Amino acid sequence: DVKVTQSSRYLVKRTGEKVFLECVQDMDHENMFWYRQDPGLGLRLIYFSYDVKMKEKGDIPEGYSVSREKKERFSLILESASTNQTSMYLCASSFGGDGTTEAFFGQGTRLTVV
Amino acid sequence: SQQGEEDPQALSIQEGENATMNCSYKTSINNLQWYRQNSGRGLVHLILIRSNEREKHSGRLRVTLDTSKKSSSLLITAARAADTASYFCATDAPESSGDKLTFGTGTRLAVRP
Repeated sequence: DVKVTQSSRYLVKRTGEKVFLECVQDMDHENMFWYRQDPGLGLRLIYFSYDVKMKEKGDIPEGYSVSREKKERFSLILESASTNQTSMYLCASSFGGDGTTEAFFGQGTRLTVV
Repeated sequence: SQQGEEDPQALSIQEGENATMNCSYKTSINNLQWYRQNSGRGLVHLILIRSNEREKHSGRLRVTLDTSKKSSSLLITAARAADTASYFCATDAPESSGDKLTFGTGTRLAVRP
């Protein structure tokens, strides 16, 4: 079974802190994604990566950066956390190709910025 | 931008009834997928339908796709209490790189025992 593991289920950080959310997948997937999920807004794409060291902005990249130094690991970085970044963060991966493959999700990280 | 919009936002039915959820999208697509999310958890893939397909079945799930109307529906037959979850459609556009999926806002389904 594909496994996507996010480093924390719950996280509480202070305003202004630098925050790292880690995601690891064990199926040699090409693509990895970071979404945030807020009530009434569904899932919104922050950043995605289709290869090591490659990244592309999603719909809401402001205030975030990412790192993909190894194929299995995709990190989301909040450079200076703000209260409006309180949210559920979901990492996903997929095999890659012509979009006919499913995305596998981690269990989510609920981040609270105080 | 939000590609998919699910309708209704919330649905409550009795066990044994059928549940129908709809998804509308704005641009051309390669494929449309449906996902399920139990409360506070990650999403789980349910079914994928290609843009050249009109209907697909998987167990108690039936998905239809109408590309002329840019819409899809997910039917869950004989719903069970365990089907209580949020359901999302997701699309990928032909010009997108990295198989980027765009999700809708979801339908919350409650199945009463």
